[in-house]
Amino acid sequence: QSALTQPASVSGSPGQSITISCTGTSSDVGGYNYVSWYQQHPGKAPKLMIYDVNYRPSGVSNRFSGSKSGNTASLTISGLQAEDEADYYCSSFTITSTVIFGGGTKLTVL
Amino acid sequence: EVQLVESGGGLVHPGGSLRLSCAASGFTVSSTYMNWVRQAPGKGLEWVSIIYAAGPTYYAASVKGRFTISRDHSRNTLYLQMNSLRPEDTAIYYCASAGGSYTFFNSWGLGTLVTVSS
Repeated sequence: QSALTQPASVSGSPGQSITISCTGTSSDVGGYNYVSWYQQHPGKAPKLMIYDVNYRPSGVSNRFSGSKSGNTASLTISGLQAEDEADYYCSSFTITSTVIFGGGTKLTVL
Repeated sequence: EVQLVESGGGLVHPGGSLRLSCAASGFTVSSTYMNWVRQAPGKGLEWVSIIYAAGPTYYAASVKGRFTISRDHSRNTLYLQMNSLRPEDTAIYYCASAGGSYTFFNSWGLGTLVTVSS
C-alpha cells in the first residue's frame, strides 16, 4: 500500500494561512473519518495536531484546523508563526485495519 | 502524566534479531491500543504494528512475518521482537499510544535507533 500523497513543501509568510493536502483512496482517507495530522520539529518526536479529520487535542492552537472532501484531507494553519516551521504528516486508518502515513510536508515560514 | 520510554535499539547485522521495549507510566498498556511507528534517517513516518486492548495484532506488509508486537501487563511494557532484520529496517522506532477512535497516536516516546548494517 503506497503512502498518502502530500506536497513535499509549502511556505508562507508570518500571519498568512497555508493549506497542506493529503490524498489517498476510498480504502483509506475517503472511506473513514479517521484522518490525523502530526507536527514534527527536527530531532523531536511527532506531536498530534488534529485527529478524526477535524478535532484538536487539548493544548493545540485553534490556528490549526482539518477538513476532508472525498479522498483528500487538508490541514490549514492560519496566522502563521515562526514556531510552526516543521514537518507535517497526515495519516489515515485503512480498510485492512492498518494505518498509513503521508510522505510528509516541510513547512517553511518565510 | 503519560510517559513512554523506548529502549533496546542498537547496531545489528543483516539477518539478526533485536527486541525493543517501551516502558509506560501514567496509564496501563494493556487497556489501550499500542503502536510502533518508525522513521528511517531523513525519511517520513511509517506505521509498523498495533496491538489492540483485546489482543489482536496487525502489521505493515513490510514487516509482517518478521516482527512481533507484544506486551507485559505486570511490567506495563510494550515490546517489538524484530527478526530477519534488513538494512531497510534501519530507523528510529517510536512507541505510541492510541487515543479515542484508536486510529491516531496521542502520546509518543522519544524513540530508539536501530541500525542494520554489516
